[in-house]
Amino acid sequence: SQKIEQNSEALNIQEGKTATLTCNYTNYSPAYLQWYRQDPGRGPVFLLLIRENEKEKRKERLKVTFDTTLKQSLFHITASQPADSATYLCALAAYGGATNKLIFGTGTLLAVQP
Amino acid sequence: EAGVAQSPRYKIIEKRQSVAFWCNPISGHATLYWYQQILGQGPKLLIQFQNNGVVDDSQLPKDRFSAERLKGVDSTLKIQPAKLEDSAVYLCASSPIAGGGGEQYFGPGTRLTVT
Repeated sequence: SQKIEQNSEALNIQEGKTATLTCNYTNYSPAYLQWYRQDPGRGPVFLLLIRENEKEKRKERLKVTFDTTLKQSLFHITASQPADSATYLCALAAYGGATNKLIFGTGTLLAVQP
Repeated sequence: EAGVAQSPRYKIIEKRQSVAFWCNPISGHATLYWYQQILGQGPKLLIQFQNNGVVDDSQLPKDRFSAERLKGVDSTLKIQPAKLEDSAVYLCASSPIAGGGGEQYFGPGTRLTVT
């Protein structure tokens, strides 16, 4: 069956370190993958999109990799800050009939300690 | 640019009652989505509109849920009758890209509690 897995346990790191979050999927062939940030009581906010023919994408302190052979995406936050504490969701674009639709993982809670 | 607006922000109803949620997407966005997010899970797509037509409603429980998008702008999602398992946050999102590709812009959500 199709599955998207993110670390269910919270990731705790010290300020200034690099946070690495993992997204693994099975039985999908996504055209692209997105990462979103979600704060408590708020809707997800788009961060990055990476296509199947791209290996890596960067935006400021954020970096995403996409390995279609391993069926895995890694999301890195360098020089992490307490303000980066949030839940991070990965989402795959799966073709659903007439169009692509996003399938979200369960998210990983990141806590950056000062 | 104004974001996606949703109302109400919170709603508490008893099971078997009906409820409606409203969404106003970002101006000019052709695609509108409704998601259900149960506590501890990621958002699950319920229905996707392109302009005022339904593109995907494969995961919408059609015996109790209905949605419409009036004149290709605002949208309402209705549940009738509600069940306990409908307790969740209902998120509306929009995208400027037709066909569902690209980033989505989410509203703050409506937290529904069914007692």
